Amino acid sequence: NAGVTQTPKFRVLKTGQSMTLLCAQDMNHEYMYWYRQDPGMGLRLIHYSVGEGTTAKGEVPDGYNVSRLKKQNFLLGLESAAPSQTSVYFCASSYSLDRKHSNQPQHFGDGTRLSIL
Amino acid sequence: AQSVTQPDIHITVSEGASLELRCNYSYGATPYLFWYVQSPGQGLQLLLKYFSGDTLVQGIKGFEAEFKRSQSSFNLRKPSVHWSDAAEYFCAVGRSGGGADGLTFGKGTHLIIQP
Repeated sequence: NAGVTQTPKFRVLKTGQSMTLLCAQDMNHEYMYWYRQDPGMGLRLIHYSVGEGTTAKGEVPDGYNVSRLKKQNFLLGLESAAPSQTSVYFCASSYSLDRKHSNQPQHFGDGTRLSIL
Repeated sequence: AQSVTQPDIHITVSEGASLELRCNYSYGATPYLFWYVQSPGQGLQLLLKYFSGDTLVQGIKGFEAEFKRSQSSFNLRKPSVHWSDAAEYFCAVGRSGGGADGLTFGKGTHLIIQP
């Protein structure tokens, strides 16, 4: 009954370093999402995926890359971290919008707090 | 493009008093609307959602929300708040239809409960 699991929960990086955030879901959801949350800004969509092997840009994709090689996993990469990427990152997942699942909402992980020095 | 406005950054309510949090949205068609709550250091928990049908939606923890198309609003209400309701509340709208390509969130309302 894990739901959406994010790894790691906390991380401190130096400017220019790279890292990958992992999101795993065990609900067999088709859709997965990465958001960032900054004070006073709410959550903003970075990238999303509507199925294994597919990804698309959200509102604030610059500086990030993603991959969805397996249905249950969605990876968010920072190739060269910048202080502006200091944020709390949330992963979410949901079912596809077929008639059977059309009223299913997104499920969120507990977040990854990332600091870039 | 769709957008969500939560006009109140902070709201202070006495314990036991009623609560209304405002949310206005901008979306061309029938929106899919959500209210989430976030406690400090935690992820987001869904309170309720509106997809279609009855415009008064019941959620968890005694919350309800009313969809008013004419006012482009989806305000959250609770008749009597408890100290445990202190948290950040987010209203969100599906970026397109049901939100397959994600949600657009408001900036949140911070709820403070006075004893």
